[in-house]
Amino acid sequence: EPEVTQTPSHQVTQMGQEVILRCVPISNHLYFYWYRQILGQKVEFLVSFYNNEISEKSEIFDDQFSVERPDGSNFTLKIRSTKLEDSAMYFCASSEVAGSGEQYFGPGTRLTVT
Amino acid sequence: GENVEQHPSTLSVQEGDSAVIKCTYSDSASNYFPWYKQELGKRPQLIIDIRSNVGEKKDQRIAVTLNKTAKHFSLHITETQPEDSAVYFCAAPLVSGGYNKLIFGAGTRLAVHP
Repeated sequence: EPEVTQTPSHQVTQMGQEVILRCVPISNHLYFYWYRQILGQKVEFLVSFYNNEISEKSEIFDDQFSVERPDGSNFTLKIRSTKLEDSAMYFCASSEVAGSGEQYFGPGTRLTVT
Repeated sequence: GENVEQHPSTLSVQEGDSAVIKCTYSDSASNYFPWYKQELGKRPQLIIDIRSNVGEKKDQRIAVTLNKTAKHFSLHITETQPEDSAVYFCAAPLVSGGYNKLIFGAGTRLAVHP
């Protein structure tokens, strides 16, 4: 069964550094998402992406964040200047149709900012 | 915007008992209600979902009911087993922005004791 994959599984970075989290969505899916989960808390929506542009973003997704689909398979989340409070698990998800379709999550990248 | 409330936050049952988790949502236009199971350190995994045109859906020991008038939906697990122990999240889509934003509840930590 196809799955969403993410790399790296764990990223440690120093405050102020840039990080890029990578995702490979399920191949026939057209909608892509990033979510964040701070340890022990709920899953929070960051951004959705369709047809090479952002379709929706949350208040968390400020100017420090950006997303890109650099080729036909990868979907990336970049944080330009990381802060301590960016430490969280970041999940990529994809779906075949828009939000009322099943969203399948990747295994996540644990980002630790020191 | 959409607000999703989930109760209880923790639930402890004996193996073989039933477990019920309840969620309420605020946006009457929401039309899709998924449930995710998250084991410790793992990705959220879609276990069942329901659309607004039906009142109940069942898949083996798991069922979901939807009351659109009251704007609440519930997850029912019968004959619970230790491997059902996990955190369960409900979610609903934000209608504005093309339904592309899933809002998650705060989660219910279910413990099934042998």
